Amino acid sequence: EPEVTQTPSHQVTQMGQEVILRCVPISNHLYFYWYRQILGQKVEFLVSFYNNEISEKSEIFDDQFSVERPDGSNFTLKIRSTKLEDSAMYFCAQGGLSGGAGTDTQYFGPGTRLTVL
Amino acid sequence: DQQVKQNSPSLSVQEGRISILNCDYTNSMFDYFLWYKKYPAEGPTFLISISSIKDKNEDGRFTVFLNKSAKHLSLHIVPSQPGDSAVYFCAASGRGAQKLVFGQGTRLTINP
Repeated sequence: EPEVTQTPSHQVTQMGQEVILRCVPISNHLYFYWYRQILGQKVEFLVSFYNNEISEKSEIFDDQFSVERPDGSNFTLKIRSTKLEDSAMYFCAQGGLSGGAGTDTQYFGPGTRLTVL
Repeated sequence: DQQVKQNSPSLSVQEGRISILNCDYTNSMFDYFLWYKKYPAEGPTFLISISSIKDKNEDGRFTVFLNKSAKHLSLHIVPSQPGDSAVYFCAASGRGAQKLVFGQGTRLTINP
């Protein structure tokens, strides 16, 4: 299985602070996704990103969230002003091979545990 | 909005026996179904998938069955091994690299 990497593995922040979570992509994958999992709950979709644009976002992904590929490689999720309820595991995922195989399988990174105090 | 449901929060199986995990969905637009395995504090690991045009897909000890008329899929693991103990998530998506919708997960415990 292809390896997606994420940094940091754990981020602790104060409420109201900005955080940036990073994902290192796999080559030949065209789509990027962010998901989160609040403790004890299911994995929830946040946003998908294709061709340097947001292709879909959930109702969770409000104005406090943004995504970008700042240098054309790493893929970031920014939360501008964190709230207590943003505490969760955040997973980056990738899918959609450029070879046109049409695979819809998404491969997940190990996650960043965000703790908002 | 529970489009994908795993009704069994936990399952305990004897080593060497078959483990059967179940998943139901409601959205008939789902085209692709996947099973992921997850350990605590790690990301979901892809196990096996199935397209809506098939009713069975097999990979080693893992087989996924899809019953479109019943909107039901299942994952069979045989024989079950202690290393299979983890949380298993069912997920579904529409066509074309769309978002995954996850079930709540089933914690599988394999007893020696």
